[in-house]
Amino acid sequence: SQTIHQWPATLVQPVGSPLSLECTVEGTSNPNLYWYRQAAGRGLQLLFYSVGIGQISSEVPQNLSASRPQDRQFILSSKKLLLSDSGFYLCAWSVGGQRETQYFGPGTRLLVL
Amino acid sequence: SQQGEEDPQALSIQEGENATMNCSYKTSINNLQWYRQNSGRGLVHLILIRSNEREKHSGRLRVTLDTSKKSSSLLITASRAADTASYFCATYTAGNMLTFGGGTRLMVKP
Repeated sequence: SQTIHQWPATLVQPVGSPLSLECTVEGTSNPNLYWYRQAAGRGLQLLFYSVGIGQISSEVPQNLSASRPQDRQFILSSKKLLLSDSGFYLCAWSVGGQRETQYFGPGTRLLVL
Repeated sequence: SQQGEEDPQALSIQEGENATMNCSYKTSINNLQWYRQNSGRGLVHLILIRSNEREKHSGRLRVTLDTSKKSSSLLITASRAADTASYFCATYTAGNMLTFGGGTRLMVKP
């Protein structure tokens, strides 16, 4: 069966520090991968999605970036965090080539102080 | 504005009652999905209804879709305290972009 992992679960970082959040998927090949951010009590905002290794689409311009170095690995990064980067970050995957169900990881709660 | 808009934003009911949440969307769709999120957790897929379907059931969940009105509803029957969560509808818009509404926060009191 397929599983999706995210780490860390919680992160507290100072303003201006770098960020690296990792997401890995097991049990499937060539998935679509997604990074979302959720502000407290709000819906999800799509940040990046990827249909293959090295292929990244950005939906929201900001100081974050994403990379997909391997088929089932998706990384969210920042060189310098802003206070406004605080939030709940969710990784998700879906079957490649299909527009159907997305499966979400447990999320990373990021607090930038 | 969002593709999906849930209504109401918050709902509080007693255990055993039914809970109905509504979702409206703007563009044509292939399918509409409902997800559930417990506080501080990831989203869990509940049900997917295709554009050629009008109603779908899964356990205590019933989803309807009216493409002429661009709306969907999620009914949870005989609610339980464990149903307390936020519920989101979502549809695909351009490309692979799954757009979520703002969600309905459901509180089921024991």
